[in-house]
Amino acid sequence: AQSVTQLDSHVSVSEGTPVLLRCNYSSSYSPSLFWYVQHPNKGLQLLLKYTSAATLVKGINGFEAEFKKSETSFHLTKPSAHMSDAAEYFCVVSESNNDMRFGAGTRLTVKP
Amino acid sequence: DAMVIQNPRYQVTQFGKPVTLSCSQTLNHNVMYWYQQKSSQAPKLLFHYYDKDFNNEADTPDNFQSRRPNTSFCFLDIRSPGLGDAAMYLCATSRDRGGPDTQYFGPGTRLTVL
Repeated sequence: AQSVTQLDSHVSVSEGTPVLLRCNYSSSYSPSLFWYVQHPNKGLQLLLKYTSAATLVKGINGFEAEFKKSETSFHLTKPSAHMSDAAEYFCVVSESNNDMRFGAGTRLTVKP
Repeated sequence: DAMVIQNPRYQVTQFGKPVTLSCSQTLNHNVMYWYQQKSSQAPKLLFHYYDKDFNNEADTPDNFQSRRPNTSFCFLDIRSPGLGDAAMYLCATSRDRGGPDTQYFGPGTRLTVL
């Protein structure tokens, strides 16, 4: 069965500096991988997804992630953090759509 | 805009008093899901409908039930809410089941149990 580990429960960056949120996955098959963002008291919004096409995936709001099979990683990055990026981020792995496995989440804090 | 709508956004109920949460979608997706998300935790899948086919997760308590009267609507019924059921409840939809289909989430209903 698939699983996902988000390596940091909390990341703090200054506005304008790069963001790196780390995610490692385990899967017996070729997985689909997703990053979702959740702002306080809101639902989850899809940032980007990987589905065995290009390994570098560009998402909304300037985020991107690179699928590295050799490292079983799917880290989320953004060149320059904005205050509005402060939120909870979830990495998700899926082998079939009714079995999406969520990571524990990473809370991103952006300091002015 | 096509979307997933949840009502109400905030629900307060009393211990043991049945409560129903509502989800509707304009995406015409085949699959609808209900998740429970407790504070500072990842969402946990309770069950899903693939069209009219109900699929319960093995560890979902019997206290939680669901109905899907048509493609657009899905309800979560909590028969006798306990204090431990206080959480955010998220509804999601996907076009199909299997493969890389994206799940689209509603804004959630935050349930408080007094």
